[in-house]
Amino acid sequence: ETGVTQTPRHLVMGMTNKKSLKCEQHLGHNAMYWYKQSAKKPLELMFVYSLEERVENNSVPSRFSPECPNSSHLFLHLHTLQPEDSALYLCASSRSEGTGSKQYFGPGTRLTVT
Amino acid sequence: AQKVTQAQTEISVVEKEDVTLDCVYETRDTTYYLFWYKQPPSGELVFLIRRNSFDEQNEISGRYSWNFQKSTSSFNFTITASQVVDSAVYFCALSEDGNAGNMLTFGGGTRLMVKP
Repeated sequence: ETGVTQTPRHLVMGMTNKKSLKCEQHLGHNAMYWYKQSAKKPLELMFVYSLEERVENNSVPSRFSPECPNSSHLFLHLHTLQPEDSALYLCASSRSEGTGSKQYFGPGTRLTVT
Repeated sequence: AQKVTQAQTEISVVEKEDVTLDCVYETRDTTYYLFWYKQPPSGELVFLIRRNSFDEQNEISGRYSWNFQKSTSSFNFTITASQVVDSAVYFCALSEDGNAGNMLTFGGGTRLMVKP
């Protein structure tokens, strides 16, 4: 199932830019997630939203700001990023935020910070 | 604290060979879930299997099989008669009961290359 879409697929931005990543799920799920995948670290959970409320914020710097206007959409607003923030950002969704709920992933946004 | 270790960072096999991907986990919980995901070059993670801590039965799905052993805290994944399309990065993950937000802890991944 590939009911999670992400835009853009690739993004290059300077350190002073402001940009946003968008995720949309078409699966009727209630929970959505942002993950970061970099070359040097395993997949790291950044944020979790359940029923549009943030449930988890995994010690992410404030230059990353999530927004979940409804259960189908999730945004990640970016500002004054650092080169080490270059990574693949993956969005996922699940039926609930309960333990063991299967998460469905989008294709990711490849972010390069110059 | 939970931890997932995939000691094999990269494996290369020739088509039709069998290959086993290792996964070892650490958790203090008695209730937890284990997952395997596949990440092809396109980037998205594809769900393969979920197993809860109370179900130690091995599972077979086509050419894929999984061996869950609580005694050794391992959840290994075997691909029989590998094919070029199996080339991908494979991730093992753990979700503990009581985690806020269904947090998945991922291993570092194993890159599998299947050569024709």
